[in-house]
Amino acid sequence: AQKVTQAQTEISVVEKEDVTLDCVYETRDTTYYLFWYKQPPSGELVFLIRRNSFDEQNEISGRYSWNFQKSTSSFNFTITASQVVDSAVYFCALSAIWRGGKLIFGQGTELSVKP
Amino acid sequence: DAGVTQSPTHLIKTRGQQVTLRCSPKSGHDTVSWYQQALGQGPQFIFQYYEEEERQRGNFPDRFSGHQFPNYSSELNVNALLLGDSALYLCASSFPAVGQGRYEQYFGPGTRLTVT
Repeated sequence: AQKVTQAQTEISVVEKEDVTLDCVYETRDTTYYLFWYKQPPSGELVFLIRRNSFDEQNEISGRYSWNFQKSTSSFNFTITASQVVDSAVYFCALSAIWRGGKLIFGQGTELSVKP
Repeated sequence: DAGVTQSPTHLIKTRGQQVTLRCSPKSGHDTVSWYQQALGQGPQFIFQYYEEEERQRGNFPDRFSGHQFPNYSSELNVNALLLGDSALYLCASSFPAVGQGRYEQYFGPGTRLTVT
C-alpha cells in the first residue's frame, strides 16, 4: 500500500526564520514520483516540485530546497528566510509512475509565518 | 495560457439531491483527475479520465460518476447526496504518463460543495 505521512500538523515561525516541513512515504514500487504542493487560503493547489525516485539529487529553487533520501523514505522541504506570503498548507504527495498518476496525499502541514 | 477552470465555485445542495461539477483542463492537457478534500484533510483521489474513459478509480461509491468529453473537459456527478459529501472538489489536469515523461498534475480552484 502507498502512504504519505506529514507528522507536523501546524508550524508557526517568525518571518526570516528557516523552516523544514517533513514528509515520509511508504510504497512497494521501485519507481515512483514525489511531489510538493502549496495550498493558500484561496484553496487552489499550486505545484512546487516533482521528483523521480531514481534521482536523489537535492534541488534548490530560490528560497525553496528539497532533500530526498530514499534510504529513509523521506522528502523534506525547507523554506529559507520565510516570508508572510509563505503562509499556507503544504502537501506532500506520492504517485506510482506506471499506474496513471493517482496522487496519494499526506494530511498537510499548515505553515504560519508571522511578521 | 489558461489554467484549469472549474464551475461552479460554490454550491449548496440538500441531502438526497444530485449535483454536477464541471472542469476544463489546462490547454494542451488531455487527462483529468478528480479529488475530494474534506476540511482539514489532504485530497482523496476519486477517479481519472483519459480518452473519454475512466482509467483509474479511488475508493468511492458508485454514487460518484464522471464523464469526459471530446474536448477533454470533464464532469463529476454525485447522486443521493449525503452530509459527508460536503467538501472541496478539486479537478486536476495533466499529460498521461509516458515512460519517464513530464507528469505534473495542475489543479483548478475547486468547487466548494455544502450538503445540508
